[in-house]
Amino acid sequence: DTGVSQNPRHKITKRGQNVTFRCDPISEHNRLYWYRQTLGQGPEFLTYFQNEAQLEKSRLLSDRFSAERPKGSFSTLEIQRTEQGDSAMYLCASSSGQAGSQHFGDGTRLSIL
Amino acid sequence: QKEVEQNSGPLSVPEGAIASLNCTYSDRGSQSFFWYRQYSGKSPELIMFIYSNGDKEDGRFTAQLNKASQYVSLLIRDSQPSDSATYLCAVRKSVGGGADGLTFGKGTHLIIQP
Repeated sequence: DTGVSQNPRHKITKRGQNVTFRCDPISEHNRLYWYRQTLGQGPEFLTYFQNEAQLEKSRLLSDRFSAERPKGSFSTLEIQRTEQGDSAMYLCASSSGQAGSQHFGDGTRLSIL
Repeated sequence: QKEVEQNSGPLSVPEGAIASLNCTYSDRGSQSFFWYRQYSGKSPELIMFIYSNGDKEDGRFTAQLNKASQYVSLLIRDSQPSDSATYLCAVRKSVGGGADGLTFGKGTHLIIQP
């Protein structure tokens, strides 16, 4: 049973560039969540999918952020026109309908130059 | 007032003693509560969840919930140096398979002294 997989592990980019991250959830999990975590803070919820439907978005998710889960399996999170404040660890989590407990991947660390 | 509050620590506990970690939350509609452990540079790892008032035990860990006081705690018995980490408290409005995202506290940094 593989866990939640995220790629890439690290991303360094220049301010103003677009970046895309991928998350592959645990195979039997139909719910997928994106969070962002900065140093010294707990993870902050960004958005959530049940199968392919995006059901909840945080006010933290500005217009520059978009997430998709086209076939209800893997998900992508894109950030357009990156800013210094976007530097963070982006975490993906998945859960099944029964327990509802969310299990996290190793995250993608984004650094904006 | 922050939605989920934790003392950031560090909390220093001698090896073999009981570590007590506390968390308060502001939203009375919160229904499910989680404790995650996070080692430096790693992602959060689920330790326990609790939905009902009272205590829930799992090995060396006990979660305690008091909804009237809006208070959640985690006790770690027989603390080991490997328990040294940041412990994150998280709450969610729904129970069980509900869809809401988690709201996390900042975490408490726990140090177990050999």
